[in-house]
Amino acid sequence: EAGVAQSPRYKIIEKRQSVAFWCNPISGHATLYWYQQILGQGPKLLIQFQNNGVVDDSQLPKDRFSAERLKGVDSTLKIQPAKLEDSAVYLCASSSTYSGGLLPLGSPLHFGNGTRLTVT
Amino acid sequence: GQSLEQPSEVTAVEGAIVQMNCTYQTSGFYGLSWYQQHDGGAPTFLSYNALDGLEETGRFSSFLSRSDSYGYLLLQELQMKDSASYFCAVRYVNTGFQKLVFGTGTRLLVSP
Repeated sequence: EAGVAQSPRYKIIEKRQSVAFWCNPISGHATLYWYQQILGQGPKLLIQFQNNGVVDDSQLPKDRFSAERLKGVDSTLKIQPAKLEDSAVYLCASSSTYSGGLLPLGSPLHFGNGTRLTVT
Repeated sequence: GQSLEQPSEVTAVEGAIVQMNCTYQTSGFYGLSWYQQHDGGAPTFLSYNALDGLEETGRFSSFLSRSDSYGYLLLQELQMKDSASYFCAVRYVNTGFQKLVFGTGTRLLVSP
């Protein structure tokens, strides 16, 4: 199966500019996640979608970040205006709801290669 | 809230065995996952434990003790390519949905 696709791979912008990232999840995966990973840290969840509805956006800085998942497939994450502390790798991931079996197996997340954002 | 603790770095030599620990505090705990991430790469899924005990997949084993809120990842017959960061991640249920929060990761350095 094709993996999670993300673009662009790298982006350099100046502070106060805007930027957008795109993600295409694995076909049929209902759940889509955007994570922010600062160098040397673990991925931090920004927003989680179930189909085209938001499940969790509690850690999304809503004054500058926005995300949408139209038609429950592709998703875009936007930052406007960017700050220096937004420099990070933005990872998109997707998962199916259940992996099957008698117990839900916790559906592994499949990550894209990420977008490395540098804000100068 | 959810919190996870992992040692920041572990070093070992080729052919050795290494254990990377993870302790967590969470409500609505569902299971513990492990992910591997090479520098510049994407995290990739290694294992998942929902029940107490040991799960083995080739050279990798993962253990969970729900009563101790503790788990570990065991790597045997270490190879140079195992040098990477390893993240434990707690899967929990909140507002009817499964969610995943990652630890800070353990950087494993394998030397010849």
